[in-house]
Amino acid sequence: QVQLVESGGGVVQPGRSLRLSCAASGFTFSTYGMHWVRQAPGKGLEWVAVISYDGSNKYYADSVKGRFSISRDNSKNTLYLQMNSLRAEDTAVYYCAKIDIVLTLYRVGMGVWGQGTTVTASS
Amino acid sequence: DIQMTQSPSSLSASVGDRVTITCRASQGISNNLAWFQQKPGKAPKSLIFAASNLQSGVSSRFRGSGSGTYFTLTISSLQPEDFATYYCQQYNSYPYTFGQGTKLEIK
Repeated sequence: QVQLVESGGGVVQPGRSLRLSCAASGFTFSTYGMHWVRQAPGKGLEWVAVISYDGSNKYYADSVKGRFSISRDNSKNTLYLQMNSLRAEDTAVYYCAKIDIVLTLYRVGMGVWGQGTTVTASS
Repeated sequence: DIQMTQSPSSLSASVGDRVTITCRASQGISNNLAWFQQKPGKAPKSLIFAASNLQSGVSSRFRGSGSGTYFTLTISSLQPEDFATYYCQQYNSYPYTFGQGTKLEIK
């Protein structure tokens, strides 16, 4: 079955960096785009970034543009989120999610999510 | 960016009740809308895609409808496991955006 497992979260000082990973299994990872979505404590869901199946197209939320970078290694079935210049407001549970349809990035939902990894930016 | 506005923000209901949550988009999004259910400490679960299509394995108690700017999620005959927070999400254009959530509580 399709499985997404996030890792790499932790406590980090504001201004520092962290890299999250999302290990995928149960599907042909190299043919699906992938998202990152986050949820601050007690708050709603916020879309963060998306990457196409081959890594050639990426989009970011304004709140993370220029600080976060999404990437993937299809040989390792793994999605990444490099987070630089972390701020207190980046504190959240970060989820990866799989795009529902192969080979496209547009007008398609995200039906499968991982369990999330927690990032806390605090001194 | 497209704003998604859900109402109500919270709702109290009893087992067996029928409830409806609404979601409005600030501009037309065709039927590019999903609904998610989230329970405390858990990842969101996809319920509905393309405004009215039930995800595999999701109970037929859940029904989505709408197009353009106005959408609804109806849960018929509430069960104890349905008490959770519900989010709508537009995927018509980037940045994808979510409604603020509707917390469904037991009366």
